[in-house]
Amino acid sequence: DIQMTQSPSFLSASVGERVTLSCKASQNINKYLDWYQQKLGEAPKLLIYNTNNLHTGIPSRFSGSGSGTDYTLTISSLQPEDVATYFCLQRNSWPWTFGGGTKLELK
Amino acid sequence: QVKLQQSGAELVKPGASVKLSCKTSGYTFSTSYMSWFKQIPGQSIEWIGMIYAGDGGTGYNQKFKGKATLTVDTSSSTAYMDLSSLTTEDSAVYFCARFGQVQLFYVMDAWGQGASVTVSS
Repeated sequence: DIQMTQSPSFLSASVGERVTLSCKASQNINKYLDWYQQKLGEAPKLLIYNTNNLHTGIPSRFSGSGSGTDYTLTISSLQPEDVATYFCLQRNSWPWTFGGGTKLELK
Repeated sequence: QVKLQQSGAELVKPGASVKLSCKTSGYTFSTSYMSWFKQIPGQSIEWIGMIYAGDGGTGYNQKFKGKATLTVDTSSSTAYMDLSSLTTEDSAVYFCARFGQVQLFYVMDAWGQGASVTVSS
């Protein structure tokens, strides 16, 4: 199985700050990497698919990049409503696997 | 719009089975894919498997083979997941998610609200 490692596990940032979350795969996943946002008690919400495609209705402050084994989710200007846990998911090969998550809080 | 409505919370005894449902609306269910996921609160998410409603074809995470069985009822646009021989390790929230086409790609673009399963004597 492909292992997905997210860093950091926990991040505290200020409103308006640029935030970068990382996700590293144990092997090349050919850009089949999605990012999800999950708020407490809710289902995951798709933000970015296939590395850099912004899902419908997602604010443009979210963006994704990467290739090979290394991927990044960037929030250009953190907003209070962005407080959540963020997960990356690889869909390059079965079984699909998630990272351990990054919990993002306001400073 | 696309909606996935999952069945309610379940409290079941060890060794028992439970069947979770995911009723869909707002899209053509019979030619779609549905994935299922497990999440223990406070932890990450695991992919259980996927089913194609068109022919009932399935693919499972090896970890969940023998534990989970995915089926569909196209007449009611509902997907089901049976969990068998339950233990306390199966206590979790289970999500269904449509694996649908967005632009040129297939992604999990719509999710159910989750169903909590608690296994306890």
